[in-house]
Amino acid sequence: GESVGLHLPTLSVQEGDNSIINCAYSNSASDYFIWYKQESGKGPQFIIDIRSNMDKRQGQRVTVLLNKTVKHLSLQIAATQPGDSAVYFCAENPSNDYKLSFGAGTTVTVRA
Amino acid sequence: DARVTQTPRHKVTEMGQEVTMRCQPILGHNTVFWYRQTMMQGLELLAYFRNRAPLDDSGMPKDRFSAEMPDATLATLKIQPSEPRDSAVYFCASGLTRQGYTFGSGTRLTVV
Repeated sequence: GESVGLHLPTLSVQEGDNSIINCAYSNSASDYFIWYKQESGKGPQFIIDIRSNMDKRQGQRVTVLLNKTVKHLSLQIAATQPGDSAVYFCAENPSNDYKLSFGAGTTVTVRA
Repeated sequence: DARVTQTPRHKVTEMGQEVTMRCQPILGHNTVFWYRQTMMQGLELLAYFRNRAPLDDSGMPKDRFSAEMPDATLATLKIQPSEPRDSAVYFCASGLTRQGYTFGSGTRLTVV
């Protein structure tokens, strides 16, 4: 399953399929980006980060892609599991600031 | 695992009362953020500190909100007087600058 375009608030994906969550960031000066996962009743949990000198970074079952030309970030989750159901946020940090700004979030629901 | 500790987890108070939320950042972390989360506004940055110095509190209503770090192990967020529109979940996050940030579990505030 994939969220189409710049941002969709919800994404439904079949268990076992790959998920792609998209995020558009706004600040050209941002050079550090983080993806967070937030489960119901909990705080955002760090998933993976990437700096602007990279265009791809991989973690365990997750990959983040960065396209600075169009200011676009994506999170790919391989073999999506029921435990991946949550709200996913991207966050950006400008090089000239310590501020971490969040996007609106995408709710991912995994269908059994 | 090291964690950011927030107290209280839940707070119900009457309009006009003072509310104090506390955060114990992870030892050694030099950057501390306060965020507010609501369904309508998402995650809003209220204030943040680096090396205990306040860097930006432009996200806070100045007339009623205040944020301090009396020492490296404690950050506080106060609301006086509280209003029903302040009802939200308040998160604290800490980290080493631009190396990932860890969120606490939040304080759910209800002002009646």
